Amino acid sequence: DGGITQSPKYLFRKEGQNVTLSCEQNLNHDAMYWYRQDPGQGLRLIYYSQIVNDFQKGDIAEGYSVSREKKESFPLTVTSAQKNPTAFYLCASTYGGPGYTFGSGTRLTVV
Amino acid sequence: AQTVTQSQPEMSVQEAETVTLSCTYDTSESNYYLFWYKQPPSRQMILVIRQEAYKQQNATENRFSVNFQKAAKSFSLKISDSQLGDTAMYFCAFKGVGGSRLTFGEGTQLTVNP
Repeated sequence: DGGITQSPKYLFRKEGQNVTLSCEQNLNHDAMYWYRQDPGQGLRLIYYSQIVNDFQKGDIAEGYSVSREKKESFPLTVTSAQKNPTAFYLCASTYGGPGYTFGSGTRLTVV
Repeated sequence: AQTVTQSQPEMSVQEAETVTLSCTYDTSESNYYLFWYKQPPSRQMILVIRQEAYKQQNATENRFSVNFQKAAKSFSLKISDSQLGDTAMYFCAFKGVGGSRLTFGEGTQLTVNP
């Protein structure tokens, strides 16, 4: 079945570490997105990519980095510059129309 | 830039009753899509209903319907015959027709009580 796979489901990061969240889709969608979810703030856009080898900053890109070397993959790296990374991270994709597919998310906790 | 506002952080309703969740948005675009997404405790995002701005008729999906007021930039969700499985966080979202990004409101936590 087509869909988006996010891994891992839970991730723990020590202070000062970089960590990478995986997002893979087999839907042949061109556009992919990373959202951060915090209580009471809804989903905020971190980065998005509409085509391979190209991506744009969203509203809260500071402390994060992405790459889009393959159409199927859009990994998100949370760097040590992100001061408050504990959150739930959702990946999404779309073919360009109004339909979006979401992954099941990664819960990142700083320990 | 578009903004989406949900002014009800929490709501509760008795099983089998009707509840309405509110959403307002701000945009200068004339063509766009509006969405309601449901996020149950599993945290999986589930599309509840979608409305195209150029359509005057309000969208309906079984027990879920919307009241789309384009001039007022209002997009409320009505859930009829509420069920325990409707307990979830509900997000209102906006997408411009020519745009790529989906903009979300803050969410409303709905609890259906037995």
